[in-house]
Amino acid sequence: SAVISQKPSRDICQRGTSLTIQCQVDSQVTMMFWYRQQPGQSLTLIATANQGSEATYESGFVIDKFPISRPNLTFSTLTVSNMSPEDSSIYLCSAEQGKAFFGQGTRLTVV
Amino acid sequence: DQQVKQNSPSLSVQEGRISILNCDYTNSMFDYFLWYKKYPAEGPTFLISISSIKDKNEDGRFTVFLNKSAKHLSLHIVPSQPGDSAVYFCAAGRGGSNYKLTFGKGTLLTVNP
Repeated sequence: SAVISQKPSRDICQRGTSLTIQCQVDSQVTMMFWYRQQPGQSLTLIATANQGSEATYESGFVIDKFPISRPNLTFSTLTVSNMSPEDSSIYLCSAEQGKAFFGQGTRLTVV
Repeated sequence: DQQVKQNSPSLSVQEGRISILNCDYTNSMFDYFLWYKKYPAEGPTFLISISSIKDKNEDGRFTVFLNKSAKHLSLHIVPSQPGDSAVYFCAAGRGGSNYKLTFGKGTLLTVNP
């Protein structure tokens, strides 16, 4: 099974700033994904991070707000831009390798 | 529109007894279902899965049952142990794929010693 390292594990940020979350997989994977879990809600898919091309965003999520990079088959970043308190969530990186495996998550608080 | 529903936000059982976690879905295109367990401050970890061609899958203490006609699945844990206390998420995918998953809101299971 893939081991996924995600950092930072938590952060408290000022509104209007941006935070970049990093996700490192211990093996090459074709598919990587970014999810958000707002308080009391289910995990919601933000986008699919495609290696060598632009990410594919789900309805309600846009590239300007959540730019994603996928420079190779083991690494991806998600940036939460121009943050507001409504962005306070847990952000999770996932990789598909037979099953979907998850990083430990980034707990973001925007003040 | 919530396509995967876990209607019980919490469940409490005694150690050694059976835990039954339920999940309903509305999208008939879903054909692959998974259960994840999540401890605080950790990411979800895969527990067990089932494809729509089966109605039961068993792995040790964990069994998942699928009732396609009712669009319902359940996770049975027997016997329950205190270490099973966690949030359990039901997830569904389609096209035989387990990515681009749709998750339920989770059920907090507490197993009391």
